[in-house]
Amino acid sequence: GAGVSQSPSNKVTEKGKDVELRCDPISGHTALYWYRQSLGQGLEFLIYFQGNSAPDKSGLPSDRFSAERTGGSVSTLTIQRTQQEDSAVYLCASGGDGDTQYFGPGTRLTVL
Amino acid sequence: RKEVEQDPGPFNVPEGATVAFNCTYSNSASQSFFWYRQDCRKEPKLLMSVYSSGNEDGRFTAQLNRASQYISLLIRDSKLSDSATYLCVVNKYSTLTFGKGTMLLVSP
Repeated sequence: GAGVSQSPSNKVTEKGKDVELRCDPISGHTALYWYRQSLGQGLEFLIYFQGNSAPDKSGLPSDRFSAERTGGSVSTLTIQRTQQEDSAVYLCASGGDGDTQYFGPGTRLTVL
Repeated sequence: RKEVEQDPGPFNVPEGATVAFNCTYSNSASQSFFWYRQDCRKEPKLLMSVYSSGNEDGRFTAQLNRASQYISLLIRDSKLSDSATYLCVVNKYSTLTFGKGTMLLVSP
């Protein structure tokens, strides 16, 4: 079946601009996660959605970052007033009943 | 102490070698444990879950020691295609914490 998809695959933007990253989880998965991975670094947790519960936003690095999940499916991660340190690969993962998370291919964000 | 610590490597081994990766975690309340594999410029993919009783999947064996908060992965008869970064992952209340990974390079 279809896996997790993300768009765009690459995004180059100028410092100060806003960007939106999209994630389509695996159909039927109730859990959705956003992570980011900077060059040579491990994955950093950003935010977690589970069903209709309030999201766990504890990993968001600043108030410039926000995410929403519409209809319990597609999610959008928004970064406002981008900074150069926001450059990273942003990975989305979804999960079903168990603990396993399935990752999308990521969006490579470059802030000039 | 970092939540999940791994030797960054790289581990350079010849084909056919046996290689072991170690990982320690700091949160004793962690509930489940995994090894993920990440190829260069690709997303992480689940390799295997890790259980206290130890589990084996072909050439791969994973072990968990809760008392020592230690996780291991053993790869036997390594193949060129095993070259990747291996991520130790710890789960607590559906939040995964990833180690930075250990890079493995298998050469002919």
